[in-house]
Amino acid sequence: GAVVSQHPSWVICKSGTSVKIECRSLDFQATTMFWYRQFPKQSLMLMATSNEGSKATYEQGVEKDKFLINHASLTLSTLTVTSAHPEDSSFYICSAHLTIGPIREQFFGPGTRLTVL
Amino acid sequence: AQSVTQLGSHVSVSEGALVLLRCNYSSSVPPYLFWYVQYPNQGLQLLLKYTSAATLVKGINGFEAEFKKSETSFHLTKPSAHMSDAAEYFCAVSEGGAQKLVFGQGTRLTINP
Repeated sequence: GAVVSQHPSWVICKSGTSVKIECRSLDFQATTMFWYRQFPKQSLMLMATSNEGSKATYEQGVEKDKFLINHASLTLSTLTVTSAHPEDSSFYICSAHLTIGPIREQFFGPGTRLTVL
Repeated sequence: AQSVTQLGSHVSVSEGALVLLRCNYSSSVPPYLFWYVQYPNQGLQLLLKYTSAATLVKGINGFEAEFKKSETSFHLTKPSAHMSDAAEYFCAVSEGGAQKLVFGQGTRLTINP
């Protein structure tokens, strides 16, 4: 099946530092990837849509200068949380969209838990 | 705009009992509907999806869901709960084929021995 990985699986950083999270589709190419944020005991909220070779599309209320997204290849998207603060602590999940014939499905990564001290 | 409402943030059933997780949606166009399962500290796994074909959809692990347009519902069921079914379940809706999913609030399923 289609596999999506994320690295790192968890990260702890000091307030004010930047953190980069990688999302890779391991066995398929994904023109579109998505980034979600999930706070404890809450649902997933879409942050942005990452399109290979073009700028990401951010959801309303998501600061594009704080959450930098780069989708430089068909198998890799990165999310950089710049100048992280404790309120950015969350579980970040990516997904990659697979389209093959009639199949259209998002495959999710295992998530990255970010803790900002 | 699309939206999803999951009735009941927490459902508890006995092992072997029927599982019923409720999901109602709102969409201005024929929707694509999904059920995902999430185990602690993990990503989401697709259980099943409705994409305008058969209204009764069978998924993995014995789960199934029925699309009812008149009720704007897509409830998830399993005839007999197993301890391994304990997890968080999310219903999601999409317009246009798995792009830009909108998730419900989630339902935590607990299985009692």
